[in-house]
Amino acid sequence: EPEVTQTPSHQVTQMGQEVILRCVPISNHLYFYWYRQILGQKVEFLVSFYNNEISEKSEIFDDQFSVERPDGSNFTLKIRSTKLEDSAMYFCASGGLGVGQETQYFGPGTRLLVL
Amino acid sequence: DAKTTQPPSMDCAEGRAANLPCNHSTISGNEYVYWYRQIHSQGPQYIIHGLKNNETNEMASLIITEDRKSSTLILPHATLRDTAVYYCIPKRGNKLVFGAGTILRVKS
Repeated sequence: EPEVTQTPSHQVTQMGQEVILRCVPISNHLYFYWYRQILGQKVEFLVSFYNNEISEKSEIFDDQFSVERPDGSNFTLKIRSTKLEDSAMYFCASGGLGVGQETQYFGPGTRLLVL
Repeated sequence: DAKTTQPPSMDCAEGRAANLPCNHSTISGNEYVYWYRQIHSQGPQYIIHGLKNNETNEMASLIITEDRKSSTLILPHATLRDTAVYYCIPKRGNKLVFGAGTILRVKS
């Protein structure tokens, strides 16, 4: 069964460093998402991406964040200058059917720790 | 987005049906009801979704009331591996808005 994959599974970085989290969505999906979950808190939407552009973003997704689909398979989340409060699980998701109705399938997540 | 109310936790005996309720009284006509679960800190796992009619798949059944103000997720024969946080999410548009969900503990 097709699944979303994410790399790395764990990332430790120093505050102020740039990190790139990678995702390989399900191959025929057209909609891509990033969510995050700070330890002990709810899963929060960050951004959605469709047709090579951001379709929606949350207040969390400020200028320090960017997303890219550099080729036909990868979808990346970049954090330019990490802060302590960026420590969280980051989940990628992809979806494929009609607008507003597509089911999102999540990857296993990347645990980011900013020291 | 519609607000949801779910019990914070529920227990279920292994092998019995688990019935997880969700109140979404402010749901609008074109919002689907999605159910996901999250086992430990893994990625949320899609279970089932519906608009008006009851739905069933290999994982669960979804019962939506006629007025669409509430729904119930049914796991027909719960196992220990079904212990997780279950989220009921009315969805319109792009994003999923997760609440606190219901912690389901399946006990032997």
